[in-house]
Amino acid sequence: QQQVKQSPQSLIVQKGGISIINCAYENTAFDYFPWYQQFPGKGPALLIAIRPDVSEKKEGRFTISFNKSAKQFSLHIMDSQPGDSATYFCAAGAGNNRKLIWGLGTSLAVNP
Amino acid sequence: NAGVMQNPRHLVRRRGQEARLRCSPMKGHSHVYWYRQLPEEGLKFMVYLQKENIIDESGMPKERFSAEFPKEGPSILRIQQVVRGDSAAYFCASSPTHTGPSGEQYFGPGTRLTVT
Repeated sequence: QQQVKQSPQSLIVQKGGISIINCAYENTAFDYFPWYQQFPGKGPALLIAIRPDVSEKKEGRFTISFNKSAKQFSLHIMDSQPGDSATYFCAAGAGNNRKLIWGLGTSLAVNP
Repeated sequence: NAGVMQNPRHLVRRRGQEARLRCSPMKGHSHVYWYRQLPEEGLKFMVYLQKENIIDESGMPKERFSAEFPKEGPSILRIQQVVRGDSAAYFCASSPTHTGPSGEQYFGPGTRLTVT
């Protein structure tokens, strides 16, 4: 059972476009939702994270939108660049139990 | 401030041998997590440790796998009698002591284990 469902599996965007990746979760105990970026052969790097007390968080070109009632959150990458081409993972964590439950990843390709 | 360090980066073992993966957390971090990543998949939680304590090992296979985080030195993930299905990338993450629940985790570059 996949507790965090991520879509799409792959995404192709033109340079300058907006990349949108969606995640849905089931466990209402989750209270921490990070997004990670992973390049081939590297470890995941924390990109941006949100907690359920806010509906949106923006850091530079990256924005998380959070919908608590729908149990969904999404990552928006504005003005996408070829250097953004990577695999993006959403994850969720709950309370004092720090283990993160991960989505299966989205492979993003930004064409020049 | 150096990031999370893992070694070796690549490890090849024959079936039945032991694999030892090491993780040094970021300076000032006393929480360590191990994850396993299979090709084309997300990360799967294995174990969460603090210094000298295993806090949550719910993701660890019951047999052959063990982890420790001693008072001094790196955290070790040990896989005994490896099988081909153990081939994967193993990532270590650490988080600082001062963060609250579900604190930010910072990942190392991973150890890619290949069992032949």
